[in-house]
Amino acid sequence: EPEVTQTPSHQVTQMGQEVILRCVPISNHLYFYWYRQILGQKVEFLVSFYNNEISEKSEIFDDQFSVERPDGSNFTLKIRSTKLEDSAMYFCASMKLRTGMVNEQFFGPGTRLTVL
Amino acid sequence: AQSVTQLDSQVPVFEEAPVELRCNYSSSVSVYLFWYVQYPNQGLQLLLKYLSGSTLVKGINGFEAEFNKSQTSFHLRKPSVHISDTAEYFCAVSDQGGGFKTIFGAGTRLFVKA
Repeated sequence: EPEVTQTPSHQVTQMGQEVILRCVPISNHLYFYWYRQILGQKVEFLVSFYNNEISEKSEIFDDQFSVERPDGSNFTLKIRSTKLEDSAMYFCASMKLRTGMVNEQFFGPGTRLTVL
Repeated sequence: AQSVTQLDSQVPVFEEAPVELRCNYSSSVSVYLFWYVQYPNQGLQLLLKYLSGSTLVKGINGFEAEFNKSQTSFHLRKPSVHISDTAEYFCAVSDQGGGFKTIFGAGTRLFVKA
């Protein structure tokens, strides 16, 4: 069964550095999402992406964040200048939109980002 | 706007006892509901989902949930828990009305004691 994959599984970085988190969505999916979970807290929506542009973003997704689909398979989340409070688990999800049917997201295993 | 409320932040229970984790939702559009389990330092694992049809949904690891539209609830149950069920459980609703993003509850920590 196809799965969403994410790399790396754990990323450690210094405050102020740029990081890029990578996701490979399920191949025929067209909607892509990033979520964040700070340790001990709930999973929060960051951004959704469709047709090569952001379709919705939360207030968490400020100018330090950007997303990109650089090729036909990857979907990336970039944090330009990391802060300590960016330390969290980041989940990618993808979905295949089917008109008139139930649409369900599939989540990746997550990338744990630690900012020192 | 859609939202999810998990009524208990922690639920301690003895091994082999039954458990119910409560979840209430609010939604103005079609409702699609999910329960996820998260073991320490791991990702989200889908336990079960309600998309349509029968209101009693069976999932993995012996869990089941009942969709109750009049009560706007989707409580998770297991008749007999094991130590290995100790984990964080998240109820979630899919925002089918716009963007299709998933909205999560705050989570319930199930702690199974020997």
